[in-house]
Amino acid sequence: GAVVSQHPSRVICKSGTSVKIECRSLDFQATTMFWYRQFPKQSLMLMATSNEGSKATYEQGVEKDKFLINHASLTLSTLTVTSAHPEDSSFYICSAKISGVNTEAFFGQGTRLTVV
Amino acid sequence: GDSVTQMEGPVTLSEEAFLTINCTYTATGYPSLFWYVQYPGEGLQLLLKATKADDKGSNKGFEATYRKETTSFHLEKGSVQVSDSAVYFCALTANAGKSTFGDGTTLTVKP
Repeated sequence: GAVVSQHPSRVICKSGTSVKIECRSLDFQATTMFWYRQFPKQSLMLMATSNEGSKATYEQGVEKDKFLINHASLTLSTLTVTSAHPEDSSFYICSAKISGVNTEAFFGQGTRLTVV
Repeated sequence: GDSVTQMEGPVTLSEEAFLTINCTYTATGYPSLFWYVQYPGEGLQLLLKATKADDKGSNKGFEATYRKETTSFHLEKGSVQVSDSAVYFCALTANAGKSTFGDGTTLTVKP
């Protein structure tokens, strides 16, 4: 149980286009999901907290107009990288927590975005 | 805020050597502690976890004990293999599900 699926696993896009990444909790409901970014050879940094039915909460320094987050259902959150540029190339990972359980989150497989 | 401090790498060992990767944390409340492993080009895989003080997490020969008195969660393995070569992340989850990661330790095991 507690599986989180992230799609796509890899994507290459042209500079200036937008890319949508999906994060789904397959066998549980997740009122809260999280989006992380990992630069090469670095750790994971929290970008934003996605709350079902409400606006996402962004960490300091993360541009909310560039990284659009939508959490329209209890099992799906999406991250859209708008007007992507090469510096947005990175590994993006989502996690989801089971409602009512605060100290464990389950991670997706990650999405490697390359902007050319 | 919460933080995780992880032993700096890279770590290079010979096959069958003993492994220790140190991890200490600071957190408010009572976090759960995790070790994740990441192979090149792949996502995170949960290696082991401990949810309360004195719990020992174990998996595939790796072990770590949640030490509240020293705020530590050191990763150990008695005999490493070449296939254990990867990046290891210590992490805690608290504060309504947010995870905080250490910087990662790259382990290379040579035959």
